[in-house]
Amino acid sequence: DAGVTQSPTHLIKTRGQQVTLRCSPKSGHDTVSWYQQALGQGPQFIFQYYEEEERQRGNFPDRFSGHQYPNYSSELNVNALLLGDSALYLCASSFPSGESSYNEQFFGPGTRLTVL
Amino acid sequence: GDSVTQMEGPVTLSEEAFLTINCTYTATGYPSLFWYVQYPGEGLQLLLKATKADDKGSNKGFEATYRKETTSFHLEKGSVQVSDSAVYFCALSDRSGNTGKLIFGQGTTLQVKP
Repeated sequence: DAGVTQSPTHLIKTRGQQVTLRCSPKSGHDTVSWYQQALGQGPQFIFQYYEEEERQRGNFPDRFSGHQYPNYSSELNVNALLLGDSALYLCASSFPSGESSYNEQFFGPGTRLTVL
Repeated sequence: GDSVTQMEGPVTLSEEAFLTINCTYTATGYPSLFWYVQYPGEGLQLLLKATKADDKGSNKGFEATYRKETTSFHLEKGSVQVSDSAVYFCALSDRSGNTGKLIFGQGTTLQVKP
């Protein structure tokens, strides 16, 4: 059973460019969350997708957008890249239950984005 | 808003030493609490969790007890190994929006020397 997969592993972009990161959830999971982890910091919640809709959003600008496909895979898009967007981007999948806050989120290995 | 504070690292211990990593939280409701571990170059792995007050989560020799009265969830292990060297994150599950989004502490690096 494959866990959460993310692509690419590493990415180098320049300021002002746009980037798309991809995530495939663990088998049986239909909810995908994205987190940004700056160097030496804990992950910060970007947003969560469920049933192809953005269900909740963290404190990130509109330059960060996402999409979820019918097969539950997801993309994170970042426009007009800034140097400060350099980070490890983590995808996590889960499935809803009666008490969603009890759901374990399974994390992928992340995509390391470097903005020059 | 909700937040998590961890003791600063790095924490350096000799093999077989006792480990404590402090974690305190601020939350308006009754969150679930988690410890995640991140090995070099990898994503996060759930180490243990507790979903209500006085619950004790345990896994691989690690333990943490949900203390509502002190809003704490300290991680302990009786005898650490070199293979435990990693970054440890305390987190809570925010129930607002009913998504279970995770709020993380800043992480504590553990180095275990032979």
